[in-house]
Amino acid sequence: DQQVKQNSPSLSVQEGRISILNCDYTNSMFDYFLWYKKYPAEGPTFLISISSIKDKNEDGRFTVFLNKSAKHLSLHIVPSQPGDSAVYFCAASNDMRFGAGTRLTVKP
Amino acid sequence: DAGVIQSPRHEVTEMGQEVTLRCKPISGHDYLFWYRQTMMRGLELLIYFNNNVPIDDSGMPEDRFSAKMPNASFSTLKIQPSEPRDSAVYFCASSGGITFLGKNIQYFGAGTRLSVL
Repeated sequence: DQQVKQNSPSLSVQEGRISILNCDYTNSMFDYFLWYKKYPAEGPTFLISISSIKDKNEDGRFTVFLNKSAKHLSLHIVPSQPGDSAVYFCAASNDMRFGAGTRLTVKP
Repeated sequence: DAGVIQSPRHEVTEMGQEVTLRCKPISGHDYLFWYRQTMMRGLELLIYFNNNVPIDDSGMPEDRFSAKMPNASFSTLKIQPSEPRDSAVYFCASSGGITFLGKNIQYFGAGTRLSVL
């Protein structure tokens, strides 16, 4: 059973606007979450992570929010750039499985 | 370090043939993962090893799939016999395992695109 879920297969935003990618998990024991970014013809690469002892982690234009009570995390990209167009995967460190991914398209 | 190295990058074969995908993890990493990416299922975990020992192979779709890790620097994923529905991109990843605060970053190879005709 998929314990990490990304329910939006795709997202399209205008350059300069905010992109919000969502991820839900079912196991309350998960305590560390990671986001990966994947370009075509390449393997996924680590982007940003968050520990359950925090509710927010920021790295430049990327911020990840964690809502433990809702078992929900989100990745915010502000401002979005065309180079951010990729597939984004979330994962829980305790579980080696990934969400199905969300394809982000940032239009110029 | 050159990162995780996979070979071949592309493989085209005919149904019924044996296919072997290869992976060299990052030196010093003690976890190795095999994933398959398809449009329908996204990134699926097939199997992972810790210190060359298979830990979880519940994602291996059928007995036609097998994986080995004879030493810390090499792993193979074999499909025998191959079928058209096996066509996908197969990724290998390695990690240094769970570290402080549970962080476990995986480093992926560029993948092998398999086409079974």
